[in-house]
Amino acid sequence: GQNIDQPTEMTATEGAIVQINCTYQTSGFNGLFWYQQHAGEAPTFLSYNVLDGLEEKGRFSSFLSRSKGYSYLLLKELQMKDSASYLCAVMDSNYQLIWGAGTKLIIKP
Amino acid sequence: KAGVTQTPRYLIKTRGQQVTLSCSPISGHRSVSWYQQTPGQGLQFLFEYFSETQRNKGNFPGRFSGRQFSNSRSEMNVSTLELGDSALYLCASSAQADTEAFFGQGTRLTVV
Repeated sequence: GQNIDQPTEMTATEGAIVQINCTYQTSGFNGLFWYQQHAGEAPTFLSYNVLDGLEEKGRFSSFLSRSKGYSYLLLKELQMKDSASYLCAVMDSNYQLIWGAGTKLIIKP
Repeated sequence: KAGVTQTPRYLIKTRGQQVTLSCSPISGHRSVSWYQQTPGQGLQFLFEYFSETQRNKGNFPGRFSGRQFSNSRSEMNVSTLELGDSALYLCASSAQADTEAFFGQGTRLTVV
């Protein structure tokens, strides 16, 4: 079967750095997406990785290792507004997105 | 440009009834996907339509169906509602299958 694993919940301090991991086993691979979802709102796109390596976008970076079936989302200089759920999704060989259950990130002052 | 619009935002139905949810994608987007989201379960894929054709389907019973019109607007129908169908239903549109998906605000369905 297809499976995406990510931690259920993480806590970090304002101003710090946090890394959210995602491991996957899917039928084929056509890219990995990270989305942010604030409570009661729709998910919004953060990043897309299809090749190995690090993609940096401001305070957020995303890393992919296809051989290990592994990705992480790195958030720097955490702000209170970063409190949200972070969803990892992999596009399989049929171009269908397989979603993880999401990681709820709690930021403390 | 306008984002993805879902209607209605909230809905309360009783068991056994049926419901139709609507999604208007971003102008120019031909791919529309539907998801069910429940606490702790993440996003569960229902189906994906592209140019009026269903290209992918998730593991949901036949009570869940959908369609897409020539203007790319999509509808999702759930018949014989069960209590377990209570969830947030999200629609996402994208220009192509392998590009970023944009989500609507969702329809929160409560079955009582």
